[in-house]
Amino acid sequence: GAVVSQHPSWVICKSGTSVKIECRSLDFQATTMFWYRQFPKQSLMLMATSNEGSKATYEQGVEKDKFLINHASLTLSTLTVTSAHPEDSSFYICSARQRNTGELFFGEGSRLTVL
Amino acid sequence: GQQVMQIPQYQHVQEGEDFTTYCNSSTTLSNIQWYKQRPGGHPVFLIQLVKSGEVKKQKRLTFQFGEAKKNSSLHITATQTTDVGTYFCAGEDSGYALNFGKGTSLLVTP
Repeated sequence: GAVVSQHPSWVICKSGTSVKIECRSLDFQATTMFWYRQFPKQSLMLMATSNEGSKATYEQGVEKDKFLINHASLTLSTLTVTSAHPEDSSFYICSARQRNTGELFFGEGSRLTVL
Repeated sequence: GQQVMQIPQYQHVQEGEDFTTYCNSSTTLSNIQWYKQRPGGHPVFLIQLVKSGEVKKQKRLTFQFGEAKKNSSLHITATQTTDVGTYFCAGEDSGYALNFGKGTSLLVTP
């Protein structure tokens, strides 16, 4: 099946620094990518919807200046957590919707720990 | 906005027993999807239901979509230890975004 690669899978950073997470659809074009956040033993919370070539649509309560999303091509979306703080520590997961079938595929997630 | 409620939150069964998780949406859905997440893993797509009243089967798993397209269920017959994980339903509305239920964590003991 289609593959979505997410990198890095694990990152530890100091408070105040910025961290970039990449989400790539390896063998298909993704018109739309979604970014989710998952706290331990909780569900996936949609943060934003990323459309290629346009600005991301953020969910209510998600700071767009804090979580910068760029979707520069049909195969790559990036999430940058700016000025990270310990409360930003979480599991971030992207998903990509296949252009032809509409099926959704998930990346393996990125675990962010902010010290 | 759309909300997706899922029950139960946890279920502990003996191997061989059946299991069901239920999903309800506050609004009518264009489709509903089910995912399984193993501990430490990422969500894996199981199935998508689109039509009102649709029923789909995958071996021991039976998925149903309600007539009003606002509720769904996943039933596992004769659970096995490999069924352990968290099952999420995710409803898609006309806005094209997926909203996930809180998930049902299934524990199967031999």
